[in-house]
Amino acid sequence: DTGVSQDPRHKITKRGQNVTFRCDPISEHNRLYWYRQTLGQGPEFLTYFQNEAQLEKSRLLSDRFSAERPKGSFSTLEIQRTEQGDSAMYLCASSLAVGYEQYFGPGTRLTVT
Amino acid sequence: QKEVEQNSGPLSVPEGAIASLNCTYSDRGSQSFFWYRQYSGKSPELIMSIYSNGDKEDGRFTAQLNKASQYVSLLIRDSQPSDSATYLCAVYPNDYKLSFGAGTTVTVRA
Repeated sequence: DTGVSQDPRHKITKRGQNVTFRCDPISEHNRLYWYRQTLGQGPEFLTYFQNEAQLEKSRLLSDRFSAERPKGSFSTLEIQRTEQGDSAMYLCASSLAVGYEQYFGPGTRLTVT
Repeated sequence: QKEVEQNSGPLSVPEGAIASLNCTYSDRGSQSFFWYRQYSGKSPELIMSIYSNGDKEDGRFTAQLNKASQYVSLLIRDSQPSDSATYLCAVYPNDYKLSFGAGTTVTVRA
């Protein structure tokens, strides 16, 4: 399978714990995006990388959230001190270049209890 | 004003009929437009992209773009039960992020 992959697919955690998600983009894509989606809404942009550089962060991304893309390959999204409001589907997408189609991974569904 | 708005659903159509989905966007400078299909509990799947005014057909799907009216639509011909899903309209209002509508849920009745 040469598509976008994400791990884990599901995560249940207690409030206050830290969680980390991983995304592996399509291999030739240099742009990687993170989105968050809640029930009944479209995905909301969180942040994106061009190669290893994080070029933009949404105001949705509080200081409890951090993302990295070491060496321009896979990316991780960490949420510290999780809150119940963080419960959502976290989606990763990649694209070949600016303005091109973005392809999504299967997502990580986070439940904070 | 939301960047991308879609007609509110749900939309119920009989099998074999045409489903028509509409989307408007606020940023006149937007250049790239996409339709994604999302089954319940799954991630969005790209089904159509359109960059120029006019129609683009791919199988049973036709996307229509009118930049002057800031309007994008998706037609699903010969609707099948497997087309039952939420359809998301997405627009590039700038050079880095996609803005999505809230989606229109389509149910195809057998």
